[in-house]
Amino acid sequence: AQSVTQPDIHITVSEGASLELRCNYSYGATPYLFWYVQSPGQGLQLLLKYFSGDTLVQGIKGFEAEFKRSQSSFNLRKPSVHWSDAAEYFCAVGEGGSYIPTFGRGTSLIVHP
Amino acid sequence: EAEVAQSPRYKITEKSQAVAFWCDPISGHATLYWYRQILGQGPELLVQFQDESVVDDSQLPKDRFSAERLKGVDSTLKIQPAELGDSAMYLCASSLRRGGGTDTQYFGPGTRLTVL
Repeated sequence: AQSVTQPDIHITVSEGASLELRCNYSYGATPYLFWYVQSPGQGLQLLLKYFSGDTLVQGIKGFEAEFKRSQSSFNLRKPSVHWSDAAEYFCAVGEGGSYIPTFGRGTSLIVHP
Repeated sequence: EAEVAQSPRYKITEKSQAVAFWCDPISGHATLYWYRQILGQGPELLVQFQDESVVDDSQLPKDRFSAERLKGVDSTLKIQPAELGDSAMYLCASSLRRGGGTDTQYFGPGTRLTVL
């Protein structure tokens, strides 16, 4: 069965600093990979997704993620964090063929001014 | 931009009462999903519809939960009777195509349920 691990429950960064959120997955074949963001009390918004092709994926709001098969990772990055980026971030893996994503437990991003 | 609508946004109920949540997906989206998100965790799929048919309800506690999408458009999720452990955010999502492959889900704002 597929699974997703987000090892960091909380991450604190200063505004303007770079950000990397970690995600590791467990799945036998090439997975579909996603990052979602959830602001307090809101639903989830898709930041980016990887299905195939270029392993560096660009998303909305200046985010990018890199698929590394050898490390079973799909880390999310942003070169300069804004205060409005404070939110909960979820990595998800979708099984090919029958798309039902499995979500990680999330990483809470705190941004200091 | 089209959005998934959910109501109510917040619901407080006492245990053993019945509650119902409503979801209106993005127009034209064939697939609809209900998720439960317990505080501090990621969403977990409860049920998936393709048009009016249930595709997957393996994680739906059928002794107390029911879901329907009678005309293949909007959907209702019901809990009867509610238990303390049902306190969570209930999220609805929809996707355009008829399941599978590279389909992308769009989420609604959710219904926050508190059971007292």
